[in-house]
Amino acid sequence: EVQLVESGGGLVQPGGSLRLSCAASGFTFSSYWMHWVRQAPGKGLVWVSRIYSDGSSTSYADSVKDRFSISRDNARNTLYLQMNSLRAEDTAVYYCARRAGSTSGHYAFDIWGQGTMVTVSS
Amino acid sequence: DIQMTQSPSTLSASVGDRVTITCRASQSISNWLAWYQQKPGKAPKLLIYKASSLESGVPSRFSGSGSGTEFTLTISSLQPDDFATYYCQQYDSLYSFGQGTKLEIK
Repeated sequence: EVQLVESGGGLVQPGGSLRLSCAASGFTFSSYWMHWVRQAPGKGLVWVSRIYSDGSSTSYADSVKDRFSISRDNARNTLYLQMNSLRAEDTAVYYCARRAGSTSGHYAFDIWGQGTMVTVSS
Repeated sequence: DIQMTQSPSTLSASVGDRVTITCRASQSISNWLAWYQQKPGKAPKLLIYKASSLESGVPSRFSGSGSGTEFTLTISSLQPDDFATYYCQQYDSLYSFGQGTKLEIK
């Protein structure tokens, strides 16, 4: 079964750090671009970050640039999001998502994890 | 940055109704548009990609159309399972989502 499972969320104080993980299974992880998307309580979806299949390129939303860092370990089939200098406005459910492969002919997000909650509060 | 605007924000409808949700992009995105369905406490689910292509396993009552800057998602005959929030997403230049349309039971 194709699956993404996030972990690492929790309560952290403003200015603190947290590292999220996303474990992939059921597909060739190293062949796919991966993303993080977040959703604040009661709000809509916001794209956060993207990484190429080989990790050679990354992109970030302006709101997290210079504070968050996306990475991956293809040997461990795991995606990461290192979050530093956390703010109250970073409070959200964080989803990892797979971009559809090139053979599918499109690049939408076809597989999503169940999400992990990050709460930034003192 | 490309801004995506959905309308309406909330839509009340009954089982069996035909409903349409509109998504507008702040600049042309060709057909690089997806639609997702999200239910409370759950991850989003891909419904439509490339503006009009149905994802495998998605019922044929869902359809998408449009290109450039204006797009629509249509549900031809609402079923009880369809009451959820729907998001459009552009993936022409990085990525951005619409603010969502909550489909409620009338």
